[in-house]
Amino acid sequence: SQQGEEDPQALSIQEGENATMNCSYKTSINNLQWYRQNSGRGLVHLILIRSNEREKHSGRLRVTLDTSKKSSSLLITASRAADTASYFCATVLYNQGGKLIFGQGTELSVKP
Amino acid sequence: ETGVTQTPRHLVMGMTNKKSLKCEQHLGHNAMYWYKQSAKKPLELMFVYSLEERVENNSVPSRFSPECPNSSHLFLHLHTLQPEDSALYLCASSQDLSYGGEAFFGQGTRLTVV
Repeated sequence: SQQGEEDPQALSIQEGENATMNCSYKTSINNLQWYRQNSGRGLVHLILIRSNEREKHSGRLRVTLDTSKKSSSLLITASRAADTASYFCATVLYNQGGKLIFGQGTELSVKP
Repeated sequence: ETGVTQTPRHLVMGMTNKKSLKCEQHLGHNAMYWYKQSAKKPLELMFVYSLEERVENNSVPSRFSPECPNSSHLFLHLHTLQPEDSALYLCASSQDLSYGGEAFFGQGTRLTVV
């Protein structure tokens, strides 16, 4: 089965609300990354959090990592219609090189 | 613009055709990847190259044949594909495979096999 699983699979909110997406994984990691994908296009890197970090911020994004629970969350604050996209977590597994293993993603829809 | 360019953006091919997907990166990265993205499925890692050497081949059928002539270019040669191979094929690069840093993706090639 997949290393990373996102929850929920789909999320619909109003502009201005916060959006929270969760990611769970199975094995030890070096780091965890979040990516965004607009419909049918390439993925864009958002943020990377290392296994020894617990929280990271970048603009309106906040990522947390709980290695004891093998889970991460991505919070987008004050969402905008332009945030509508699919969001993926990806893990770099411990001692298996730098390969990125992706989850299924969360489809976020932000309604104006 | 991520610095990773894929061509063509769209491709329709018959099951008996031979075609190639091309990926080029101008970032000075040492690692390059091919991913397959099908509807409602996670991205599947197909091939990984590090310094032009293939280091990963995730049980991909032989009808997909990768080639990495140098660290800036990556190809995926296709022949006798099946309709279920229709998908978005994404190329990515990263600084160094062992570093585990962020990956930069191309816009993808939307492949339709008829």
